[in-house]
Amino acid sequence: GAGVSQSPSNKVTEKGKDVELRCDPISGHTALYWYRQSLGQGLEFLIYFQGNSAPDKSGLPSDRFSAERTGGSVSTLTIQRTQQEDSAVYLCASSSRPGQGYGYTFGSGTRLTVV
Amino acid sequence: GENVEQHPSTLSVQEGDSAVIKCTYSDSASNYFPWYKQELGKGPQLIIDIRSNVGEKKDQRIAVTLNKTAKHFSLHITETQPEDSAVYFCAAVTSNTGKLIFGQGTTLQVKP
Repeated sequence: GAGVSQSPSNKVTEKGKDVELRCDPISGHTALYWYRQSLGQGLEFLIYFQGNSAPDKSGLPSDRFSAERTGGSVSTLTIQRTQQEDSAVYLCASSSRPGQGYGYTFGSGTRLTVV
Repeated sequence: GENVEQHPSTLSVQEGDSAVIKCTYSDSASNYFPWYKQELGKGPQLIIDIRSNVGEKKDQRIAVTLNKTAKHFSLHITETQPEDSAVYFCAAVTSNTGKLIFGQGTTLQVKP
């Protein structure tokens, strides 16, 4: 597609449920990133995939969070046993210049609300 | 790791005035500094960037300056317009990690 696509755009879930957030990067972009943006806050790095290398998971806040990227394209961020503090906008970005920080393109995000 | 501080958190200016947002970073190995504009309900959009071998870059009404010695960089918007109202984020990247680390954001309001 023309841009980074994220789905769903909005998700309301009950505390304790698991959720899956999806990101379709720009075709051909080998690098993919997930960020979390809490209300009124900056963008918090979560995880970074680059080609076939092991992902950089250093930003994941707890072991309830995990992500995978299948076939070097689509990525899914999974949050298990959701808590109210997980409520935020989850943003995905992809890049054609992996490891150099150039050319990041962001999706519109998934707004997650845990009730 | 890298830490980016951004000021001010909110900025209100009259249409036609200039706006300046400042950021500092901690990792001297950082070599790429983009600025993003985020409108309500949308993802961040790159508006200008600067690399560490350049001190200043300008694109129409927007300019960015970088002082590597002091580890700070700034965004300058001249002749502001109401459509410039948004949240602006600075960021820094170190080439060996590829991670884009953001500042806390500045909410800019341009009053007509």
